[in-house]
Amino acid sequence: QVQLVESGGGVVQPGRSLRLSCAASGFSFSNYAMYWVRQAPGKGQEWVAVISYDGRNTYYADSVKGRLTISRDNSKNTLYLQMNSLRAEDTAVYYCARDRQIITIGATFDIWGQGTMVTVSS
Amino acid sequence: DIQMTQSPSSLSASVGDRVTITCRASQSISSSLNWYQQKPGKAPDLLIYDASSLHSGVPPRFSGGGSGTDFTLTISSLQPEDFATYYCQQSYSTAFTFGRGTKLEIK
Repeated sequence: QVQLVESGGGVVQPGRSLRLSCAASGFSFSNYAMYWVRQAPGKGQEWVAVISYDGRNTYYADSVKGRLTISRDNSKNTLYLQMNSLRAEDTAVYYCARDRQIITIGATFDIWGQGTMVTVSS
Repeated sequence: DIQMTQSPSSLSASVGDRVTITCRASQSISSSLNWYQQKPGKAPDLLIYDASSLHSGVPPRFSGGGSGTDFTLTISSLQPEDFATYYCQQSYSTAFTFGRGTKLEIK
């Protein structure tokens, strides 16, 4: 069964750090670009970051550039999002998602995790 | 960044109705347009990719069209499970922007 399971969310004070994880199973994780997408409460979706299948290329939304870092460990079938200098506006459900196509960064999200909530508040 | 404008923002319809949602891009994105369905408390599900290709397992009552800047999602005969929020998303360039969503409600 193809599955993505996020973990690591919680309540954190502004300026602090948090690391999210996304465990993949049921498919060849190392063949796919992977994404983080977030959804603030009552709002729509916002793409956050993408990492290529081999981890060599990463791209970020301007709103998170320099503060959030996407990475992956293909030996562990796990995607990460290191979140530093957190702000109130980072409060959202964070989803990891898989690209529909192997190898390429096609930005079509065919498999999503269940999401993990991050709340930035003092 | 490319802006995606969806309309309407909400829509009331009845089971069996045919409904169409539109999405407009602020610049041409060729056919790089995806549609997702999201139900409360759940992650989005991919419905349509590349403007008109039906994702595996999605019922054929869903269809997509358009290219360039103007796109549509049509549900030919609404079923009870179709009442949800629908989002378009461009895959043409970063930041892979989404529309603000269309909430489809039961009349």
